[in-house]
Amino acid sequence: DIVMTQSPLSLPVTPGEPASISCKSSQRLLHSNGLHYLDWYLQKAGQSPQLLIYLGSHRASGVPDRFSGSGSGTNFTLKISRVEADDAGVYYCMQGLQIPRTFGHGTKVEIK
Amino acid sequence: EVQLLESGGDLVQPGGSLRLSCAASGFTFGNCGMTWVRQAPGLGLEWVSVISDDGTTTYFADSVRGRFSISRDNSNNTLYLQMSSLRAEDTGVYYCARGPVEKVGDNHNYNGMDVWGQGTTVTVSS
Repeated sequence: DIVMTQSPLSLPVTPGEPASISCKSSQRLLHSNGLHYLDWYLQKAGQSPQLLIYLGSHRASGVPDRFSGSGSGTNFTLKISRVEADDAGVYYCMQGLQIPRTFGHGTKVEIK
Repeated sequence: EVQLLESGGDLVQPGGSLRLSCAASGFTFGNCGMTWVRQAPGLGLEWVSVISDDGTTTYFADSVRGRFSISRDNSNNTLYLQMSSLRAEDTGVYYCARGPVEKVGDNHNYNGMDVWGQGTTVTVSS
């Protein structure tokens, strides 16, 4: 199974400041079609997860453009250009290349 | 409105069985692969199972293979997860999610799991 490792586990951020979360996979997530099968999800407190980014860098419908995904191979990053209070929650990366799909353990973003 | 609504969660004894349902609305259900994801209390997300848009292909996590089955009724826009030989470690909130693959014409596009239900709680305890 592909192991997904996120860092940091906890990230206190100040509103208006940028934030960055790293996700590393134990195997390359590059498909033969040239796309990287890496998603980012956010689970706010008491809510279901929601999709932020798919295929490494594609923003899901309705996701603000302050969220961006980048990376290749085994190293991926989710960036928030200017954090807002509503961005608090646990962020998960997930690989979609192989079965079983596997999630990282999550990064808890706390607003200062 | 695009929506997924899970039901069927309950308290069940170890070794028991349960069937979860996920009713879909607001989109062409038969064009979408569907996924079950669970979350144990206080823990992270765990992928459980996926089924193709036409129901012919299914996959399971090692932790549930042989005990869980996934199916769908495209005529009634409903996804199912049949769970048997339940264990305490199966306790958690079970979410159904649309995707990650959608059939568009002759192509299958990967869009991530872009719609999630509110979850249904399964508790396995004596």
